[in-house]
Amino acid sequence: GQNIDQPTEMTATEGAIVQINCTYQTSGFNGLFWYQQHAGEAPTFLSYNVLDGLEEKGRFSSFLSRSKGYSYLLLKELQMKDSASYLCAVRDNQGGKLIFGQGTELSVKP
Amino acid sequence: GAVVSQHPSWVICKSGTSVKIECRSLDFQATTMFWYRQFPKQSLMLMATSNEGSKATYEQGVEKDKFLINHASLTLSTLTVTSAHPEDSSFYICSAEPSRGYNEQFFGPGTRLTVL
Repeated sequence: GQNIDQPTEMTATEGAIVQINCTYQTSGFNGLFWYQQHAGEAPTFLSYNVLDGLEEKGRFSSFLSRSKGYSYLLLKELQMKDSASYLCAVRDNQGGKLIFGQGTELSVKP
Repeated sequence: GAVVSQHPSWVICKSGTSVKIECRSLDFQATTMFWYRQFPKQSLMLMATSNEGSKATYEQGVEKDKFLINHASLTLSTLTVTSAHPEDSSFYICSAEPSRGYNEQFFGPGTRLTVL
């Protein structure tokens, strides 16, 4: 079956660093994506990992370990505008559809 | 970057009517588009994969006769919710995968459907 797990909620302080974990068990794998979604809006792309290791893009980094079925999104120098839902999604290798986790609601407090 | 639009952004309709939602890729061609539904405080649930020039592939549990999908061109897919009922009220989001040059899907802004 397909299963993607993320924490439901997290809270962090402005200026701090937060790590959002994602574990997955899927029948196929063709990349893992992280999206940010503000309430009432569409998801926006943050990162993509298909090989093991760390991908860094400004304040955001994403890590993947395929053997462990594990990824994390690291957000540095948190800002209030980073308060949003963060979605982990795995793309399968048949047709390219994305399977989403339930999302992690991040609250950044002053 | 690649832009996807949806129309309308919100719609309110009476129970029993049909509603059509359009998804367009504005500056790229997309042989594949995806339709998702999202209930409040929940994640995106894939409803169907729309392929240009062929029938859509529906996920398990999604009624294909109720949610009609047409992907008539490389830039347009439509979702028609037929005989809508209050339980169909949701946020419907489409995404498109460029035929070349990108790894990710690009999402439309979503359509808020409310059925009275």
